Amino acid sequence: RKEVEQDPGPFNVPEGATVAFNCTYSNSASQSFFWYRQDCRKEPKLLMSVYSSGNEDGRFTAQLNRASQYISLLIRDSKLSDSATYLCVVNTQTGANNLFFGTGTRLTVIP
Amino acid sequence: EAGVVQSPRYKIIEKKQPVAFWCNPISGHNTLYWYRQNLGQGPELLIRYENEEAVDDSQLPKDRFSAERLKGVDSTLKIQPAELGDSAVYLCASSVPPPLGTEPYEQYFGPGTRLTVT
Repeated sequence: RKEVEQDPGPFNVPEGATVAFNCTYSNSASQSFFWYRQDCRKEPKLLMSVYSSGNEDGRFTAQLNRASQYISLLIRDSKLSDSATYLCVVNTQTGANNLFFGTGTRLTVIP
Repeated sequence: EAGVVQSPRYKIIEKKQPVAFWCNPISGHNTLYWYRQNLGQGPELLIRYENEEAVDDSQLPKDRFSAERLKGVDSTLKIQPAELGDSAVYLCASSVPPPLGTEPYEQYFGPGTRLTVT
């Protein structure tokens, strides 16, 4: 079983739409959670960390449900520039950067 | 500040040939990672260095892959001999190691080396 599982999409949404991505992780001892963004043929970059209480950064909201081992990312008012692959990332060890990446969910925002 | 530097950006080789990738991390980043990313997949860790020590190489196929970070700064990843299935993007990343018991710090990725084995 993979450490992190995501729906690969693709998700094609119109500008202004709200879109949500989900991810599950298998290791209940996982400590830290992140969403990374990867543009086509570019390197991954940190989008945001995910906290148990949920956190928001502008149009982006991330949520964590430890009981269900489930992570989500919500994008409101989608922009063309949001088109990218969104990688769900889990760290299984405190004090160390042992990141496990999901396969990524591809988003295309259509004019 | 310069980001993570990798070279070459692209490499095409025939199977059974050797190939090497080079990475220079962000200055001051003690932790260096090599990842492999296959098409349509997320990055998978090959090896992690803390300074010059390889602290996690459990996913490195040691029969054909090797890596070194002799002075704890730049690093080289080598494949010898390459196989068709090695075609992928090889990403290098670096970070500052977090204090024990705290969340990991952001990993900064280089642009990657796109390897095609024919």
